[in-house]
Amino acid sequence: DAKTTQPTSMDCAEGRAANLPCNHSTISGNEYVYWYRQIHSQGPQYIIHGLKNNETNEMASLIITEDRKSSTLILPHATLRDTAVYYCIVRGTWNYGGSQGNLIFGKGTKLSVKP
Amino acid sequence: DAGVIQSPRHEVTEMGQEVTLRCKPISGHDYLFWYRQTMMRGLELLIYFNNNVPIDDSGMPEDRFSAKMPNASFSTLKIQPSEPRDSAVYFCASSLGFQPQHFGDGTRLSIL
Repeated sequence: DAKTTQPTSMDCAEGRAANLPCNHSTISGNEYVYWYRQIHSQGPQYIIHGLKNNETNEMASLIITEDRKSSTLILPHATLRDTAVYYCIVRGTWNYGGSQGNLIFGKGTKLSVKP
Repeated sequence: DAGVIQSPRHEVTEMGQEVTLRCKPISGHDYLFWYRQTMMRGLELLIYFNNNVPIDDSGMPEDRFSAKMPNASFSTLKIQPSEPRDSAVYFCASSLGFQPQHFGDGTRLSIL
């Protein structure tokens, strides 16, 4: 079962920042927060991940609260092409042959960017 | 850079037929994953390989499903015999070690 809770859907105006929340209150110390998105008819696309510090790359920023029980993915200037389902995933350290490092996808947040 | 390549993109076949899905991972990646996505169950991991060796197949639904990785650049997922409930989108992904997984665009399978 997914260890995260996300809103089912969100809307965002084109050009504005999209802030997607995720709750992961049972996260343990060695588990990472990963974000993927899936645009219609395509495979999931990796966005960003972090352990405890905030992270930024060319696609997005990830803000993780100090207690690590929640995080926010920020798309700074959303475009129509950012319309997708966004998945927040808690991923453990990979033990060879184990499942802790597997990606377990929940239902995600359907983000609709509107003109 | 070439991403993960899956073929065919779409497959429609009749119940009872054998279905073979193919995947070419990103060159140099040592992990390969097969996932299945349905409306009811979402995206589920079926099996993964490390250096061509199957490591965890606990997600494979039943014996009708089998997966092989004969070399570092090719893997197959086979369903024999196929059933209508196998209809889904099947994704292949690859990664270098624990780095993020990269997904292909999937095979949309319809079993009539």
